[in-house]
Amino acid sequence: EAGVTQSPTHLIKTRGQQATLRCSPISGHTSVYWYQQALGLGLQFLLWYDEGEERNRGNFPPRFSGRQFPNYSSELNVNALELEDSALYLCASSIARQGSSYEQYFGPGTRLTVT
Amino acid sequence: GQSLEQPSEVTAVEGAIVQINCTYQTSGFYGLSWYQQHDGGAPTFLSYNALDGLEETGRFSSFLSRSDSYGYLLLQELQMKDSASYFCASPYNFNKFYFGSGTKLNVKP
Repeated sequence: EAGVTQSPTHLIKTRGQQATLRCSPISGHTSVYWYQQALGLGLQFLLWYDEGEERNRGNFPPRFSGRQFPNYSSELNVNALELEDSALYLCASSIARQGSSYEQYFGPGTRLTVT
Repeated sequence: GQSLEQPSEVTAVEGAIVQINCTYQTSGFYGLSWYQQHDGGAPTFLSYNALDGLEETGRFSSFLSRSDSYGYLLLQELQMKDSASYFCASPYNFNKFYFGSGTKLNVKP
């Protein structure tokens, strides 16, 4: 069974540009979560999608947005990039909207560097 | 937001037992998960405690005490490959997901 996949592996952008990160969940998983992990730090919850809808978001500005497609894959968009957006962006998936969200399966991440 | 507190670093020798603690805020708390992350790798799920008590999975065990707002991950018979960061996490209200800042475990020969 294929795990969670993310693309691209690395992304280099300049300040003010937009970045688009992509995630494909494990087959059968309907929930997708996005996290930001700055170097050497913990995971900060960004967004949660389930069944095509945004269910909740963390304490991030509106320039962080995304969507979930009918095949449950997801896209994270970061507009007006700032230097402090440089981080590893992790996507995770789980089986169901509630009850199983405590067990999340993570992809390898996209390393975003903003110069 | 909610916070989960854990020590930043722990060092132990191969073959020993180590306990990584996690304290949490109680409002909206449903249970405690643990994840392992090797340098450069993705977090992997280890265990989840919804109820008080001990959950055992091989060399790893996890414990929760709701009355003390506290949990821990216990690693036995430490191996070099256990050197990694360990995160406690909780699905607050099952709609917001908070992680601790992580405990870096250094296993020495």
